[in-house]
Amino acid sequence: EVQLVESGGGLGQPGGSLRLSCAASGFIFSRYEMNWVRQAPGKGLEWVSYISSSGNTMYYADSVKGRFTMSRDNAKNSVSLQMNSLRAEDTAAYYCARLPLAEYYFDYWGQGTLVTVSS
Amino acid sequence: QSVLTQPPSVSGAPGQRVTISCTGSSSNIGAGYDVHWYQQLPGTAPKLLIYVNSNRPSGVPDRFSGSKSGTSASLAITGLQPEDEADYYCQSHDSSLSGSVFGGGTKVTVL
Repeated sequence: EVQLVESGGGLGQPGGSLRLSCAASGFIFSRYEMNWVRQAPGKGLEWVSYISSSGNTMYYADSVKGRFTMSRDNAKNSVSLQMNSLRAEDTAAYYCARLPLAEYYFDYWGQGTLVTVSS
Repeated sequence: QSVLTQPPSVSGAPGQRVTISCTGSSSNIGAGYDVHWYQQLPGTAPKLLIYVNSNRPSGVPDRFSGSKSGTSASLAITGLQPEDEADYYCQSHDSSLSGSVFGGGTKVTVL
C-alpha cells in the first residue's frame, strides 16, 4: 500500500525557517517524481515544488522560488522541503504528492502537515 | 488568482446531474496538456478522481466523468449523491511555469 507521511509542520516566525519531511513507503521510491502542494486555510490548492526521481532537477512556483529548496534521499525513501525567509502567506497545509511514471497528475497524496507563520 | 478558472460553486438535488467547467489557456490545457480532477472532502487530503481527461481510478464510481475540448475541460456528476458534497479541483501542466496549475476549486452542494 502506497503511503506518504508528512512531518515537520508547526509555528514558524516571519523571516525564519522550517523543514518539512515526507516519508514514503509501499512503492519503489527512487523511480518516482515527487511534489509539494499547499493549501492556505479556506483556500484552494497551489503547486509548490517538483523534484525528479534522481533528485537532479527541481522546479518551484514563483511564490517560493529562492526561499524554498526541495531535496530527496532515495536511500531513506524521503523528500524534504527547506523553507527559509518565511512569510505570513506561507501559512498552509503542505501535502507531499506523487507523480505516476511519465505523467503530470498526482496519484497519491499524504495527509498534510500544517505550517503557521506568525509572530 | 488561479491559472485555471472554475465556478466557485454548483448545487443540485440528489439524483440530478451537475457539471463543473475548467478553463485554461494556450500554455496549459490549450497546449495539449491533459486535465485531471481531484475531490477533497472536508478536513481531508485531495483524492484523484479523474486522470488524463476522462479516466477513473479504480474505486471511483462511474457517475463521475470528465471531458476536454480546446482550452477547457469539464467534470460531470450524474446521479448526484449526498456523499458527493465536497470541493473539486481541476489541474493541468503549464509549460510557461514548468509546473502544475490548479483551478480555484468548486464547492458542490447537494440540496
